Amino acid sequence: EVQVVESGGGLVQPGGSLRLSCAASGFNFNSYSMTWVRQAPGKGLEWVARIKEDGSDKNYVDSVKGRFTISRDNTQNSVFLQMNSLRVDDTAVYYCARENWILDYWGQGTLVTVSP
Amino acid sequence: EIVLTQSPGTLSLSPGERATLSCRASQSVYSNYLAWYQQKPGQAPTLLIYGASSRTTGISDRFSGSGSGTDFTLTISRLEPEDFAVYYCQHYGASPPHSFGQGTRLEIK
Repeated sequence: EVQVVESGGGLVQPGGSLRLSCAASGFNFNSYSMTWVRQAPGKGLEWVARIKEDGSDKNYVDSVKGRFTISRDNTQNSVFLQMNSLRVDDTAVYYCARENWILDYWGQGTLVTVSP
Repeated sequence: EIVLTQSPGTLSLSPGERATLSCRASQSVYSNYLAWYQQKPGQAPTLLIYGASSRTTGISDRFSGSGSGTDFTLTISRLEPEDFAVYYCQHYGASPPHSFGQGTRLEIK
């Protein structure tokens, strides 16, 4: 059974940092790209970042470029999102998803709250 | 970067009725790489349709997708109570970011 489980969310002050983790199981992890998607409270979905199977290519939405870094460890079947210089408008549930062209398996999300 | 615009923002219908949701792209979607997701309150999105018109395994045939180029449609033929949710379109494939539309809320009338 494919499973994707996020962790690492929490409350952080503006300007602070947080590292999200996503543990995957039930599939050949190093054969899939992985994506982070976020959803601000009461808002729609926003594609945030994607990392290719071997970590060789990374893409970001403009609003997080230079602040967020996506990475992966294929030996631990995990993908990470390092978030620096956090802003109030980064407050959201962050979802990790397997990318099989489309996002076919999603975790349940982890809440990041950026507040003074 | 492709911008997806969904309409209407909210659709109020009764069970048994037919729902038609629209997704318009600011430029042609490469190879019709357009997906539809359903999201219920407090849950992660789930994939319904990919390639503009292919249903994911396990999705009811009441759901159908159509369109090409810049105009896409999700149709739900006979609404069931469990279909009332928020629906998002997304383009994928080449050229990230793979943006989502802003969503259509399907509510019970």
